[in-house]
Amino acid sequence: EIVLTQSPGTLSLSPGERATLSCKTSQSISTTYLAWYQQKPGQVPRLLIYGASNRATGIPDRFSGSGSGTDFTLTISRLEPEDFAVYYCHQYGLSRTFGQGTKVE
Amino acid sequence: EVQLVESGGGLVQPGGSLRLSCAASGFSFSDSAMHWVRQAPGKGLEYVAAISNTGGSTYYGNSVKGRFTISRDNSKNMLYLQMGSLRAEDLAVYYCARSRGFITYMDVWGVGTTVTVSS
Repeated sequence: EIVLTQSPGTLSLSPGERATLSCKTSQSISTTYLAWYQQKPGQVPRLLIYGASNRATGIPDRFSGSGSGTDFTLTISRLEPEDFAVYYCHQYGLSRTFGQGTKVE
Repeated sequence: EVQLVESGGGLVQPGGSLRLSCAASGFSFSDSAMHWVRQAPGKGLEYVAAISNTGGSTYYGNSVKGRFTISRDNSKNMLYLQMGSLRAEDLAVYYCARSRGFITYMDVWGVGTTVTVSS
């Protein structure tokens, strides 16, 4: 099973600041199989990024994904008040796992 | 409108069984792979199971392998999760989700149904 390790566990920032979230995989994966989800309290996870760098429909361009191999990054260029949430990376190749999440507060 | 609605959650004793259902509407169910993902209270997301559009391929997470069975009825646009030998650690909100292929990302999620395992 591929293990995804997200860091930091919590990111304390202010609106307007840049957020950089990391996701490291225990073995190299294709960029095709890496997604990022946002989850707000009491809400369902929302797809942000698929294929490591492709924004899902309706996702603002302040969200961007990058990376390859074992190191992937979600960047929020300028935090809006509605962006404070928990973010999960997810790999969906031959095995399917989630990272433990990064809370942006 | 694309919609997934889970049902069947509830209280079950350790060692017991429960069947969850997910009703799909607003999209071509028979062309979509389907998934179950769970979330324990205050915890992160855990992948549970997947099934291809025809039902011919399935995948299970390590923690449920041999205890849970995913299935579907394309004639009824329904997804199921038969859960057996339930343990306290299976307590969670169970979400069903859709993807356009068996090995691709989940783009639509249901609102979830809660399973409580307690004596």
